[in-house]
Amino acid sequence: QKEVEQNSGPLSVPEGAIASLNCTYSDRGSQSFFWYRQYSGKSPELIMFIYSNGDKEDGRFTAQLNKASQYVSLLIRDSQPSDSATYLCAVNAGANSKLTFGKGITLSVRP
Amino acid sequence: DTEVTQTPKHLVMGMTNKKSLKCEQHMGHRAMYWYKQKAKKPPELMFVYSYEKLSINESVPSRFSPECPNSSLLNLHLHALQPEDSALYLCASSQVRAGGHEQYFGPGTRLTVT
Repeated sequence: QKEVEQNSGPLSVPEGAIASLNCTYSDRGSQSFFWYRQYSGKSPELIMFIYSNGDKEDGRFTAQLNKASQYVSLLIRDSQPSDSATYLCAVNAGANSKLTFGKGITLSVRP
Repeated sequence: DTEVTQTPKHLVMGMTNKKSLKCEQHMGHRAMYWYKQKAKKPPELMFVYSYEKLSINESVPSRFSPECPNSSLLNLHLHALQPEDSALYLCASSQVRAGGHEQYFGPGTRLTVT
């Protein structure tokens, strides 16, 4: 059973802080990794994807991938109240395009 | 443009009704997906179409019937649903690539079965 695990939340950080969201996966064959943000009552929005080991930065967001440790993380710098949402980690292992999602973690940014 | 559109936004149906959900994308993606999402849970894959052919059916009950008329459109036909089928139904699309590719979600249809 392919699994994706995320830290149990919720996570609360003050405005301006760095929020660190973590995710581990069980399938060593996993090749692509995604972070989705989902506001309450809305659909998931893709905010980051990463395919290679290392860091990938996009604005205030940095995704980090370590395939040896089967670990992917999302850092949100200068957190804003508008970042308050549920963040879903998703992993794709094969050619069939099937994503396996973690349970999600709810982030709350305190003004 | 990473837009996937879905209609209707909301749907209330009785257990004997037949209705359809519609999804459209114009990004040239050749894979399209239906997901079901219950409150406080991650999306749960139902069906995958790749190059207009059904490639994955996650053992979904036959009261849900998908259809992919062309590369831009995806339908989900609903018949004789149960109250526990009430959920947010999400459509997504992506390129087809070994190892996976970014999936973009539509806004969803909020379905209530009475």
